[in-house]
Amino acid sequence: DGGITQSPKYLFRKEGQNVTLSCEQNLNHDAMYWYRQDPGQGLRLIYYSQIVNDFQKGDIAEGYSVSREKKESFPLTVTSAQKNPTAFYLCASSLDRSAINEQFFGPGTRLTVL
Amino acid sequence: AQTVTQSQPEMSVQEAETVTLSCTYDTSESDYYLFWYKQPPSRQMILVIRQEAYKQQNATENRFSVNFQKAAKSFSLKISDSQLGDAAMYFCAYRSSKSSGDKLTFGTGTRLAVRP
Repeated sequence: DGGITQSPKYLFRKEGQNVTLSCEQNLNHDAMYWYRQDPGQGLRLIYYSQIVNDFQKGDIAEGYSVSREKKESFPLTVTSAQKNPTAFYLCASSLDRSAINEQFFGPGTRLTVL
Repeated sequence: AQTVTQSQPEMSVQEAETVTLSCTYDTSESDYYLFWYKQPPSRQMILVIRQEAYKQQNATENRFSVNFQKAAKSFSLKISDSQLGDAAMYFCAYRSSKSSGDKLTFGTGTRLAVRP
């Protein structure tokens, strides 16, 4: 089955710790995205990548980092610099960056800072 | 910057009836794409319907249709013959067709309840 997987589903972190969220796709998509979802605020773009070894900041990149070493993988690291990291994180991918192409979403990771 | 507004935080509809969810957006661009996404309790985002701004004809997908009013910058979603499985959060989203149009700009969502 083609799709996007995110792991883990739930993640708990102590304050001051970095944590990495996994996102893998087997759709052969070039573009990948990370969004954050908070209650009452919809989804906001953190980072996106159009191609391997290249990525750009979205609207709320501060306190986050990413890498794109492989086409199918786009992990997101939430660093200790992120002041309010508790949120639901969604990864998405699309065939390429063309606006007409649908973005497919993964099932998400719920991060809670204790 | 583009903004998307969904003014109805919650809506309710009787099973088999029709409901319309509102969405307005602000942009200075003439070419763009609009989307409605559904987020059920599983929280997986699912594309419901898509509209290209250059097309005058309203998009339709089975029981889902849109009323796209470009001049008014309005993009409402109509769900006909509502079913229990339609209960979810619905998000309206905008995407520019320009080279910088990589991101989706989302509204804050409308929670739809379906009464049996």
